[in-house]
Amino acid sequence: QSALTQPASVSGSPGQSITISCTGTSSDVGGYDYVSWYQQHPGKAPKLMIYDVSNRPSGVSNRFSGSKSGNTASLTISGLQAEDEADYYCSSPTSVSTGVFGGGTRLTVL
Amino acid sequence: QLQLQESGPGLVKPSETLSLTCTVSGGSISSSHYYWGWIRQPPGKGLEWIGSIYYSGSTYYNPSLKSRVTILVDTSKNQFSLKLSSVTAADTAVYYCARAVRPMTTVTSWGQGTLVTVSS
Repeated sequence: QSALTQPASVSGSPGQSITISCTGTSSDVGGYDYVSWYQQHPGKAPKLMIYDVSNRPSGVSNRFSGSKSGNTASLTISGLQAEDEADYYCSSPTSVSTGVFGGGTRLTVL
Repeated sequence: QLQLQESGPGLVKPSETLSLTCTVSGGSISSSHYYWGWIRQPPGKGLEWIGSIYYSGSTYYNPSLKSRVTILVDTSKNQFSLKLSSVTAADTAVYYCARAVRPMTTVTSWGQGTLVTVSS
């Protein structure tokens, strides 16, 4: 299966909002409401930030939100903070009972 | 609090079999709510699912790796394991073990990861 498509990089200034897109097909993102998003700081394991398209795990800031329209999911981070600088990955199940990640997006806080 | 810890050789020769074990503490691997999986990340690259297993032994594999992968669970030791055969330099990566709420998605807990290098 092909990786989901994410922009390689996005950037924003502190306090601003940014959105990261994650585009797949009707066989993955578009076919299930199980998209999840992960944050990964350098040298660290990823951390779950959003699950089931728009739900936040306990302890994750409400500055992080998720949505989906058709075959594209989105992660929005509002009120950008320096600590948000990291790599972000989306993930979705697929129609063949497997899972696929996006290629990853590097967020730079200017 | 749930913890997952990978263990195994950090260096494997080409054509040999990579073997890793994940030890779960702070929770039971026999929980009916979760799947236990392996994810890898080549240096400087993105994440890739390898596969996952349910405590009953049902397995789910990435089609691109399926012919070389075996994932097993040992409920008596609260561990699960990964074997990847016929490795090449392309299999060099940080390998994470993980707990997921579905076969190969929605990972709620991650191990710290272990770097496995394939080199002679």
